[in-house]
Amino acid sequence: QSALTQPASVSGSPGQSITISCTGTSGDVGLYNLVSWYQQEPGKVPKLIIYEVNRRPSGVSSRFSGSKSGSTASLTISGLQAEDQSDYYCFSYATTSPYVFGTGTRVTVL
Amino acid sequence: QVQLVESGGGVVQPGRSLRLSCAASGFTFSSYAMHWVRQAPDKGLEWVAVISDDGRHKDYVDSVKGRFTISRDDSENTLYLHMNRLSAEDTAVYYCARITTATAAFDSWGQGTLVFVSS
Repeated sequence: QSALTQPASVSGSPGQSITISCTGTSGDVGLYNLVSWYQQEPGKVPKLIIYEVNRRPSGVSSRFSGSKSGSTASLTISGLQAEDQSDYYCFSYATTSPYVFGTGTRVTVL
Repeated sequence: QVQLVESGGGVVQPGRSLRLSCAASGFTFSSYAMHWVRQAPDKGLEWVAVISDDGRHKDYVDSVKGRFTISRDDSENTLYLHMNRLSAEDTAVYYCARITTATAAFDSWGQGTLVFVSS
């Protein structure tokens, strides 16, 4: 089972919106609405920010939103803030693995 | 509150074995499937293994199949990962994580324990 494909890095200026893609296959992202997203600051434990494609856990900023089209899921961060500078990973249930993470995306706030 | 505390990491020679533990508290451990996730130095997250809430079903990433065994002791609220025939590629921080089966999302993570495979 190959990792889901994410861009290695995405950057934006404070206040802007950025979108991180997560491309899988018809056996994972394309088949299940069980995509979640995690934020990981350097040296810290991953934190759940989106589950079931577009649902936010209690306490997570509404600036984070998720969506999916076909086999590609996306995480959008609106109103980018310095504190959003982190690594972001998507994760999906899959028919074969049965779970798989994305390759990870480093977000830089310019 | 939910707490997951890993232990058992350390430096180990290639080919040797190691057992990781994850002590759970603050929730009904026996009601949750549990996972191990690892992260090699300066690399991304990698899903490693899962055990169902009743312990009957287990699955592994291909790279550890036949070498790693996940288990649980619900009487001790503890998750284990038995790792055999370790290689340098297994060097990583190992996290235990709780998953909500319906959402397939990790809502709680331990702080991680470092396994360093080196001669």
